[in-house]
Amino acid sequence: EPEVTQTPSHQVTQMGQEVILRCVPISNHLYFYWYRQILGQKVEFLVSFYNNEISEKSEIFDDQFSVERPDGSNFTLKIRSTKLEDSAMYFCASSEGQGPYGYTFGSGTRLTVV
Amino acid sequence: AQSVAQPEDQVNVAEGNPLTVKCTYSVSGNPYLFWYVQYPNRGLQFLLKYITGDNLVKGSYGFEAEFNKSQTSFHLKKPSALVSDSALYFCAVRDMNSGNTPLVFGKGTRLSVIA
Repeated sequence: EPEVTQTPSHQVTQMGQEVILRCVPISNHLYFYWYRQILGQKVEFLVSFYNNEISEKSEIFDDQFSVERPDGSNFTLKIRSTKLEDSAMYFCASSEGQGPYGYTFGSGTRLTVV
Repeated sequence: AQSVAQPEDQVNVAEGNPLTVKCTYSVSGNPYLFWYVQYPNRGLQFLLKYITGDNLVKGSYGFEAEFNKSQTSFHLKKPSALVSDSALYFCAVRDMNSGNTPLVFGKGTRLSVIA
């Protein structure tokens, strides 16, 4: 069964440093998403991406965050200057369409900011 | 705006007993509804979804959910719980008329099945 792959599985970074979280969505999917989950609690939407541009973003997704699809397979989330409160599990997801289509999630990247 | 409420943080059930995990939603139009499960240190896995048609939806691992439009609910059920069902369960919703508005998730309910 096709999978969404995320790397690394765990990233530790110093406060103020830049991090890039990487995702390989399912190859025939067209819509891509980043969500985060703090301490195993609520899953919060960050951003959605379609046709090489952001289609929607939440208030969490401020100027410190950016997304990119640099080639035909990877989908990245960059945090320019990490803060302690950015520590969370970050999940990438993809879907093949809108409306009734659910998402396939990756296993996540645990980001720890120290 | 669309939202989901999962009123229980934790549900405990004995193995072999039926389980219910509650979910209510709010959308301006008609909903697409989803249940996902998360095992420790894993991503969210799709269980089932309601799009239209029969109000009782069957999904993976023997789970089912019943859509109730009048009560705006979509409770997850299983007739006989297994210890291996212990996990974090998330309900999610999208308004049918909202285009590609992303799925909105509830805060999750931790299910603990006791042997």
